[in-house]
Amino acid sequence: SQQGEEDPQALSIQEGENATMNCSYKTSINNLQWYRQNSGRGLVHLILIRSNEREKHSGRLRVTLDTSKKSSSLLITASRAADTASYFCATALTGGGNKLTFGTGTQLKVEL
Amino acid sequence: DGGITQSPKYLFRKEGQNVTLSCEQNLNHDAMYWYRQDPGQGLRLIYYSQIVNDFQKGDIAEGYSVSREKKESFPLTVTSAQKNPTAFYLCASSSYKAGSGANVLTFGAGSRLTVL
Repeated sequence: SQQGEEDPQALSIQEGENATMNCSYKTSINNLQWYRQNSGRGLVHLILIRSNEREKHSGRLRVTLDTSKKSSSLLITASRAADTASYFCATALTGGGNKLTFGTGTQLKVEL
Repeated sequence: DGGITQSPKYLFRKEGQNVTLSCEQNLNHDAMYWYRQDPGQGLRLIYYSQIVNDFQKGDIAEGYSVSREKKESFPLTVTSAQKNPTAFYLCASSSYKAGSGANVLTFGAGSRLTVL
């Protein structure tokens, strides 16, 4: 089945720096979502962007969507050690009903 | 507080045994899901249910079974037919209704199953 691919697989930055992670997908979507997972825990929904939107903001998060390139990016500004987690994109396919397909994730480590 | 409760958090099983993972939600959500997560990988959908007494296979349903007798509960049984059951299992729910908009999932804390 179609799956988003995140890039990079792992990212290590210093506190205060910005973190950018990317997600590519293969087929037409209704919306794309980003989730966060702390080690050994469940996922938490961060932000959703619909196929007719190009950019959304939520606090220190900025998400962009380029449907022509079938890609999305998540930017975390002024990162904190507490942002250390894995980040997953999830796509809702056009005509796919309520099924979400998750990518493989980006592991972000923010060092003090 | 509303949320999803998964139990047990850790479970050890001998080969050949069936095991049932519990998932309970008090969010009044219609839809519930089971995902499997292997180390360094994304989530793969096992089963999902959009309404009581109805469920559909996901991408990796072989070796698993579910039931949805109550809106609040969606237990997953990992049967002996599942060849590689050691994994982290995540239950989720949503208030999604067809045609009503996007499907945003609320997850439980997960159950880690280890087959000895």
